[in-house]
Order: sequence, then C-alpha cells, then structure tokens
Amino acid sequence: EAQVTQNPRYLITVTGKKLTVTCSQNMNHEYMSWYRQDPGLGLRQIYYSMNVEVTDKGDVPEGYKVSRKEKRNFPLILESPSPNQTSLYFCASSPPVLGLAYNEQFFGPGTRLTVL
Amino acid sequence: KQEVTQIPAALSVPEGENLVLNCSFTDSAIYNLQWFRQDPGKGLTSLLLIQSSQREQTSGRLNASLDKSSGRSTLYIAASQPGDSATYLCAVRIKAAGNKLTFGGGTRVLVKP
Repeated sequence: EAQVTQNPRYLITVTGKKLTVTCSQNMNHEYMSWYRQDPGLGLRQIYYSMNVEVTDKGDVPEGYKVSRKEKRNFPLILESPSPNQTSLYFCASSPPVLGLAYNEQFFGPGTRLTVL
Repeated sequence: KQEVTQIPAALSVPEGENLVLNCSFTDSAIYNLQWFRQDPGKGLTSLLLIQSSQREQTSGRLNASLDKSSGRSTLYIAASQPGDSATYLCAVRIKAAGNKLTFGGGTRVLVKP
C-alpha cells in the first residue's frame, strides 16, 4: 500500500532531551516536507527537501534539523526540545514536478509531541 | 505573502443537505489548490487537487471549483452524511514558494443524523 509512515505516533518527553521523528514513504517521491499544526495557527511548514541531500527551511525552522540521505526517509530532529515545540507534526511527500504543474502531496498520520 | 482563509470556521447541517465550503486566497499566482479532510487526532486525507489551469474537479459526491482571478475555491459535498463530519482544509501551492502548501484554518463540519 502506498503510504507515508511516521514514528512514533505519540511522544511525551522532557525539555532538552534530543529526539528524532522518523518519516518514510514508499512511493519513490522526490519531494518531502515537515509541517506542524497548532490551534489557531493552522499548518506551517518546517523544512522541506526537493531531493536526496537537498533540504531547505520552511516558515518555522527554528529548533529543528532534518536530513535526507535516502530518497524514502526524511527524519525530523529536535536537538534540544522546548515546550513551545509541543505540537502535532506531519510529514508529507509528493511526486516529481512535471513541467510547471506540482502534484498533490500525501500526508502521514501525524506525530503528537508533548514537551514537558 | 499568501494568505488562505476559510469561512465559516464551523458548520452544522442536517443529514442530506448539501455542504458548501469556501476557501479564499490572496495571491492568484498559484500552481494548484488541494482540499483535504482531517478527522480528530488524525492525519490529512487528500480529497481533490485542482491545477491552476482547471476550473473544477469532481470525485463522487465531491466537487471543487476554482476561480483564480477572484482568489476563490468552493468545495461542494452533495447529500451530506454523518460520516462527512470532519475538518476540511484547503491549501494552495504558489509559484514563489516551490512545493510548499499554504493552508487555510479549516472548516469544522458536523452533519447531524
């Protein structure tokens, strides 16, 4: 089944304890992205990757790191989590760009992170 | 900066009534617009994708229209069912921002039996 998977789905941690949220897609998509969703603020992009070894900042990158060593994986790293990073996180992927038309994005199930 | 607005924020209708959900955006230079459904505590399910060159897309009971010049899209859900209760989000991909989606705040829909 074509899908985007995230792990863990739920995580409670403490301030300053490094964590990684994994994201994997099995659709051979080139583009991958991370979003966070907060009440009243909606979904905002954290980082994105156009292809392997190519990553760039989104709207709210502070406090996050990413890497794209393989096409299928795009982990989100919080080196020193803080309470303001408590949020619902989504990973997304989409097929290669065809001309000027960007294809639809597929989202993972989300990771609910609580930082105490 | 692109801004996407969805009004109303919440909507309640009796079963069987048609749903009309609105989405407006400020920058008409978009590549496409995507409608999603989100159930409480769950991920986003893509419903329809409309390319900038298209006027509408249809899938089953769902129909989405796009008017780029006025910066509007409308999602119609015919003959609503309780299972349609969810939050509906629209998102646009603009030409100046690569493949990033800019989301609206969503419309929370409740279909009463």
